[in-house]
Amino acid sequence: DQQVKQNSPSLSVQEGRISILNCDYTNSMFDYFLWYKKYPAEGPTFLISISSIKDKNEDGRFTVFLNKSAKHLSLHIVPSQPGDSAVYFCAATNDYKLSFGAGTTVTVRA
Amino acid sequence: GAGVSQSPSNKVTEKGKDVELRCDPISGHTALYWYRQSLGQGLEFLIYFQGNSAPDKSGLPSDRFSAERTGGSVSTLTIQRTQQEDSAVYLCASSLVGQGQTEAFFGQGTRLTVV
Repeated sequence: DQQVKQNSPSLSVQEGRISILNCDYTNSMFDYFLWYKKYPAEGPTFLISISSIKDKNEDGRFTVFLNKSAKHLSLHIVPSQPGDSAVYFCAATNDYKLSFGAGTTVTVRA
Repeated sequence: GAGVSQSPSNKVTEKGKDVELRCDPISGHTALYWYRQSLGQGLEFLIYFQGNSAPDKSGLPSDRFSAERTGGSVSTLTIQRTQQEDSAVYLCASSLVGQGQTEAFFGQGTRLTVV
């Protein structure tokens, strides 16, 4: 039973434009959400997070939006850069176990 | 080292053999996690260690899987009588405290291939 879903397996975006990655979850008990970035042959690295008491968190080019009523969050990358090409995982938790989505592969075209 | 270290990086084993995967967490991190990623899937929780508390083994897929953490530091994940469906990337992560609110730092993973 997958509690966190990333329905878009891939995303292609032109350099300089906005990348929008989406994530849906089913467990209403989740109260903390994270995005991880993964390059090939490396482990995932933490990117940005948001608590359920907020609806937006911004860190440089990365912004995460949370819509609790829709059980939906998104990651915006503006502007997209070639180094952003990677797999992005959405994760959610209400204790210590992180439930992950299947990931979205982002390709930034020059 | 500065990060989470896993060994080996790659392991090819014959069906039915036992394998051991090792994880060296970041020094001082009390929480340690094992996850695995099968092809095209998200990360699947396997087991969690926090200090001296009993581990949460709820994610282990079968009794062929076991893990231990010695001295609150190094952890070993053992898979007995490996099957082809065990082929995956096994990821270890550690964090400062056992709360999801603290980011977990991942190692590079061990790619296990059962032939």
